[in-house]
Amino acid sequence: KAGVTQTPRYLIKTRGQQVTLSCSPISGHRSVSWYQQTPGQGLQFLFEYFSETQRNKGNFPGRFSGRQFSNSRSEMNVSTLELGDSALYLCASSSLPGTGGPEAFFGQGTRLTVV
Amino acid sequence: AQRVTQPEKLLSVFKGAPVELKCNYSYSGSPELFWYVQYSRQRLQLLLRHISRESIKGFTADLNKGETSFHLKKPFAQEEDSAMYYCALRDQGAQKLVFGQGTRLTINP
Repeated sequence: KAGVTQTPRYLIKTRGQQVTLSCSPISGHRSVSWYQQTPGQGLQFLFEYFSETQRNKGNFPGRFSGRQFSNSRSEMNVSTLELGDSALYLCASSSLPGTGGPEAFFGQGTRLTVV
Repeated sequence: AQRVTQPEKLLSVFKGAPVELKCNYSYSGSPELFWYVQYSRQRLQLLLRHISRESIKGFTADLNKGETSFHLKKPFAQEEDSAMYYCALRDQGAQKLVFGQGTRLTINP
């Protein structure tokens, strides 16, 4: 079956603009989480959604937001972009959250460059 | 606080030599530990999880709760093992993963 799909793959934005990234999980998966990957900070957790509800949020400013739709697709939005937001944004999906639960499958990521 | 530490950013070994990638964690409770791997131009993928206790591609990892470690080992390295390796910890009851900074493993011919 198709893997986790993230669109777009690459994006260039100007400081101050906003951006929306999309993630389509593996069919049947209801849990989606987002990560920011940078050379300096590594992989950092942004949010986690399950059945349209945000279950967990990482330590990021309020400019970072997300949502999940009834079909489990998820979007994340970053407003008032800063140069430091340049990163690879990864989405992961799994069938269920929880202890001993199934693994998380990652997408290829969206490479965001803020100029 | 939950934290995962991978002390080596870079590790280089020769083909056929043993490999050990170190991972230490701090967590209050019973953690779930994972090793993820990212080969060049590929997506991040699960290599091992401590609850399965299996060997994947010749790699094994044992959870040592006394030393709070989850080191990844392989007795004989192969060139195709060259990749970025991340140790990660998962909150119970959630999907959130806390990652270490990663170790770039290079296997020299």
